Amino acid sequence: DTEVTQTPKHLVMGMTNKKSLKCEQHMGHRAMYWYKQKAKKPPELMFVYSYEKLSINESVPSRFSPECPNSSLLNLHLHALQPEDSALYLCASSQDGGTGSTDTQYFGPGTRLTVL
Amino acid sequence: GEDVEQSLFLSVREGDSSVINCTYTDSSSTYLYWYKQEPGAGLQLLTYIFSNMDMKQDQRLTVLLNKKDKHLSLRIADTQTGDSAIYFCAEIRFSGGYNKLIFGAGTRLAVHP
Repeated sequence: DTEVTQTPKHLVMGMTNKKSLKCEQHMGHRAMYWYKQKAKKPPELMFVYSYEKLSINESVPSRFSPECPNSSLLNLHLHALQPEDSALYLCASSQDGGTGSTDTQYFGPGTRLTVL
Repeated sequence: GEDVEQSLFLSVREGDSSVINCTYTDSSSTYLYWYKQEPGAGLQLLTYIFSNMDMKQDQRLTVLLNKKDKHLSLRIADTQTGDSAIYFCAEIRFSGGYNKLIFGAGTRLAVHP
């Protein structure tokens, strides 16, 4: 099973709302990732968690707040977003995120976020 | 996608072979990946190749790697309309103690009857 699940599939929110995106995997992976993808562009890395610790924050604005409650779950809390934050948000997981060896990332279906 | 380059568009006739090309810059990359993205969907891992290999075949997919020229290609035999999608080439780069995937811009494959 190489499935990563994400909820919700679609989300529409106003600039004053607070919402959360959820991601789950049951492959025993210890690294989980958040990516942002704008239309017709490749995914851009936002955050990496390895062994439930935040390893990489790619200079993401504080209105995006990640959380890794356990090794299977990854959340992205959203607050005071801007219309330009509208995008497809992808979650991925891999074995451990380090070592430089095969660390194949498996992606979820994404959450399509629209900020009004 | 910094440092990983792909042509942006490819159009083929159904039943023909498709060849999508990619060049990368980091010679220390250990693995190179091909992902497929259909409209509105996430990224589906198609295949990957280890840098000490020069070819990998998986059913209709053939990956060729020329490490000297840092050139990677994906050949899809007997292309079908269901193969219409964006194909991303990606290299794994170990930086700062962690693996990062560096993506190309993606090649949009259009399959017509």
